[in-house]
Amino acid sequence: NAGVTQTPKFQVLKTGQSMTLQCAQDMNHNSMYWYRQDPGMGLRLIYYSASEGTTDKGEVPNGYNVSRLNKREFSLRLESAAPSQTSVYFCASSRVFEATNEKLFFGSGTQLSVL
Amino acid sequence: AQKVTQAQTEISVVEKEDVTLDCVYETRDTTYYLFWYKQPPSGELVFLIRRNSFDEQNEISGRYSWNFQKSTSSFNFTITASQVVDSAVYFCALSEANTDKLIFGTGTRLQVFP
Repeated sequence: NAGVTQTPKFQVLKTGQSMTLQCAQDMNHNSMYWYRQDPGMGLRLIYYSASEGTTDKGEVPNGYNVSRLNKREFSLRLESAAPSQTSVYFCASSRVFEATNEKLFFGSGTQLSVL
Repeated sequence: AQKVTQAQTEISVVEKEDVTLDCVYETRDTTYYLFWYKQPPSGELVFLIRRNSFDEQNEISGRYSWNFQKSTSSFNFTITASQVVDSAVYFCALSEANTDKLIFGTGTRLQVFP
């Protein structure tokens, strides 16, 4: 019963460093998402992938890139980390069923600090 | 454009009190979905309920109930006889049909004191 697995759980970066957050789901879901959570801002969508091979920008895509490696995996890359990217990052997935909007299943989050 | 407003930033109650968390949404679509998620101190996001725009029936699940009113664009959440374990941040969210995107409100932090 793994669900959505994110790695790492914690990460500290220096300004300008790069890193990739990994996400995998074992529920055969079509859609996957990356959100960031900041105090007082709720969760904001960074990028999403409606299906394997497609990705689209969300509300706050600047400074990030994504890759939908296959149906299971959706990674988020910070090419040159900035302090403004200090946040908690959540990966999520959902199935697409008869054109209805099913609930999202979330990973446990990655706490990222950029110094 | 879609928007979800949770005007209550933080609510504090004493155990056994009833509490209502407000959620107001904006959308131009006639078909949309509304959600509530709970985020306990451990940090994970727990799905509570999903509602589509054509179903205005109120829903009750144990101590939890939801009141969906399209006339006021609101989807409020009530916890009856609150317990300390209800302490969490609660998020309301909106998804328009065929967009695959969930737009969250800023959340309401509920603290239940013994």
